[in-house]
Amino acid sequence: DIQMTQSPSTLSASVGDRVTITCRASQRIDNWLAWYQQKPGKAPKLLIYKASRLESGVPSRFSASGSGTEFALTISSLQPDDFATYYCKQQNAYSPVYTFGQGTKLEIK
Amino acid sequence: QVQLQESGPGLVKPSETLSLTCTVSGYSISRGYYWVWIRQAPGKGLEWIGSMFHSGSTYYNPSLKSRLTILVDTSNNQFSLQLSSVTATDTAVYYCARASELTGFDSWGQGTLVAVSS
Repeated sequence: DIQMTQSPSTLSASVGDRVTITCRASQRIDNWLAWYQQKPGKAPKLLIYKASRLESGVPSRFSASGSGTEFALTISSLQPDDFATYYCKQQNAYSPVYTFGQGTKLEIK
Repeated sequence: QVQLQESGPGLVKPSETLSLTCTVSGYSISRGYYWVWIRQAPGKGLEWIGSMFHSGSTYYNPSLKSRLTILVDTSNNQFSLQLSSVTATDTAVYYCARASELTGFDSWGQGTLVAVSS
């Protein structure tokens, strides 16, 4: 089974900061990686798919990169609405089998 | 616009079967996409439970496979989850979602909390 490891587990930052969250896969997954944002009491929201493609309607301050085993999500200038928990998720190529990372909680400093 | 809504008991006794239904509106399950279940234990991360294609083919999390059944009811535009022999560790918010093969889980239900307790 493929394991997904996110770091850090918690990140403290201020409005306007640039932050990066990383996600590492235990084996190569090409670009079969998505990123989700979850706020307390709410369902997650898809932000990024195929490692770097922005979902429709997601602000352009969100970007992502990576391929193979190393991936990153960057928020260029944090807004108050961005404080949430972020999850990466891998997908087996062309197969609906998934594994989530453990999550990164982005907190206000 | 597709909408998903989970329904089912909020309390299940240990060793019994947890049963949930996801009702989809605004999109016909028969047209395509995968349909998935995800759960989140209190204070914990997200766990993929299983996926289903409209044809009925299923894919299960290996850690749950022996206890899990996902079924489709295209006539009512619903799909369901049955998890047998539950324990307290199955207490979680259960979400249903639509899964694009190329993008991800693009539409979610609001989630339903299921507690396992006697």
